[in-house]
Amino acid sequence: NAGVTQTPKFRILKIGQSMTLQCTQDMNHNYMYWYRQDPGMGLKLIYYSVGAGITDKGEVPNGYNVSRSTTEDFPLRLELAAPSQTSVYFCASSYRDNEQFFGPGTRLTVL
Amino acid sequence: AQSVTQPDIHITVSEGASLELRCNYSYGATPYLFWYVQSPGQGLQLLLKYFSGDTLVQGIKGFEAEFKRSQSSFNLRKPSVHWSDAAEYFCAVGATVGGADGLTFGKGTHLIIQP
Repeated sequence: NAGVTQTPKFRILKIGQSMTLQCTQDMNHNYMYWYRQDPGMGLKLIYYSVGAGITDKGEVPNGYNVSRSTTEDFPLRLELAAPSQTSVYFCASSYRDNEQFFGPGTRLTVL
Repeated sequence: AQSVTQPDIHITVSEGASLELRCNYSYGATPYLFWYVQSPGQGLQLLLKYFSGDTLVQGIKGFEAEFKRSQSSFNLRKPSVHWSDAAEYFCAVGATVGGADGLTFGKGTHLIIQP
């Protein structure tokens, strides 16, 4: 099992550009999550999904969109990148009644 | 809404010494508690978790944590640290088993190991 994989690992965007952060898990987990991690602030939940076709907002959803068309994939979309979205983004997955498994992260810089 | 406080931003410990990292949580019902470790440039790895039952839980890498409901605490301990334990440690609380609607994380404690 590869676990949770994220692409790209690094990305620099210009203000106003858009991009999609990819997340795939091969553990057949129902639940998937996107977090952002800012220095000294821990992780904050952006969006989560409890299964294909079902998504919900977390603590900091503004400026982001998600979709969940399959169990394996949970992409995160930034439509109009802003400097405030400079962060490290982590995708995670879990099976009901179990802990969350995290991907290696995507480091995004918006200039 | 739940919250997690890790009062120590940085902790420095000598190699071979004991370690305790503090975590206090705020949640109205029975919490589901986790400790994660993050090495530089890496993702998060689960050290241990508490759902119910025995309040002293054992984890990987020789770590343990004790749930104290009366103090709303879930402190992480290790009897003897190794240089490889230097990392960022996060305490987290979930409102449901497995954190199905996401986890709330503390801001983390940066552990420095002195030779």
